[in-house]
Amino acid sequence: EADIYQTPRYLVIGTGKKITLECSQTMGHDKMYWYQQDPGMELHLIHYSYGVNSTEKGDLSSESTVSRIRTEHFPLTLESARPSHTSQYLCARELDSRSTGQPQHFGDGTRLSIL
Amino acid sequence: GQQVMQIPQYQHVQEGEDFTTYCNSSTTLSNIQWYKQRPGGHPVFLIQLVKSGEVKKQKRLTFQFGEAKKNSSLHITATQTTDVGTYFCAGRTDSWGKLQFGAGTQVVVTP
Repeated sequence: EADIYQTPRYLVIGTGKKITLECSQTMGHDKMYWYQQDPGMELHLIHYSYGVNSTEKGDLSSESTVSRIRTEHFPLTLESARPSHTSQYLCARELDSRSTGQPQHFGDGTRLSIL
Repeated sequence: GQQVMQIPQYQHVQEGEDFTTYCNSSTTLSNIQWYKQRPGGHPVFLIQLVKSGEVKKQKRLTFQFGEAKKNSSLHITATQTTDVGTYFCAGRTDSWGKLQFGAGTQVVVTP
């Protein structure tokens, strides 16, 4: 029912590598989000998008960047990975509705480990 | 800015007991949502409350939105091991604003 997909599911990679985490959804929803979450801890919003060519930084400063060239895709990129980037990254979609608040639907996440 | 606080941060519960987790906002909310995240999983939407004083039930879970729309609670009766996980509340100050998540209440159930 989530219809939002994240790849890879797990990634272990060395310091200095460029990484792209993929997030795609098939619902055609305009709103998409990236959260960073350490195990058992709170969700930190790092990026969001309200539509194609619209991206904003979230509440938590992040060295990552995002793009939204197509509605379905919202990839997150780290140009040079560092051990401090080790975390779980969750992508979410949300129907854009002005009538009432909408729930967010999350992907399974990418567990990133930088050696 | 808007802040959503949750207490307690951790809750150890004996199986069969009841417990309540609380969510408080520094500003009036348009609506509040609750999510559950199982260990190793992702947050899953449970419910949304919109009206002042609203109460909704899902089996053993009872959700309440305060009269002033600045606080909410989740009460679970007769806790089961399947209730293990972290429960997040999330609120908006208006219907189209950003969702502000609380830090979550991590629930551990002892058989």
